[in-house]
Amino acid sequence: NAGVTQTPKFQVLKTGQSMTLQCAQDMNHNSMYWYRQDPGMGLRLIYYSASEGTTDKGEVPNGYNVSRLNKREFSLRLESAAPSQTSVYFCASSEGRVGTGELFFGEGSRLTVL
Amino acid sequence: RKEVEQDPGPFNVPEGATVAFNCTYSNSASQSFFWYRQDCRKEPKLLMSVYSSGNEDGRFTAQLNRASQYISLLIRDSKLSDSATYLCVVNRDVGDMRFGAGTRLTVKP
Repeated sequence: NAGVTQTPKFQVLKTGQSMTLQCAQDMNHNSMYWYRQDPGMGLRLIYYSASEGTTDKGEVPNGYNVSRLNKREFSLRLESAAPSQTSVYFCASSEGRVGTGELFFGEGSRLTVL
Repeated sequence: RKEVEQDPGPFNVPEGATVAFNCTYSNSASQSFFWYRQDCRKEPKLLMSVYSSGNEDGRFTAQLNRASQYISLLIRDSKLSDSATYLCVVNRDVGDMRFGAGTRLTVKP
């Protein structure tokens, strides 16, 4: 079972470069999420898409854009990478109904910005 | 102030010990609550939901106090395999899930 697949798993960028993190889920889930995880900070919500066609800002949206391409895919774009965006990025999906809290995560993407 | 706050830890306990983690949340409109477990360099996975009446799953007991905006997780008879980071999660609205910073637990022989 693929579940949530995110690519790439590792990436090194120079300051100012752009890149897109791709995420796809095969569970027919309504909601999808992008989080970043930094030491001592836990997971912080960047953007989420409660359902196909909608996106909303989370706690730390600055410097990022997202696209909910279809029900399966939710991408995260860094237009001009900064060293502060060095982090582990997790994509997740869920059924999207309040109370059904199981998020299914991808394996994470480790991004380093030099 | 973070919306979801947890004991920073780390907790280092011997096998067989009972350990409790606490979590507070600031948004009184939060609707549902969960504990996740994250192993080192892995993705988080759901451990259990937290219900108002309290709930158990084997050695794990979760409690919720809505009036105090407080959630707890109790682990009895700790095993080496319980070593992980435990994350408190609060669901504010459809699609909006917020995580605490996590509490690291190490169970030693």
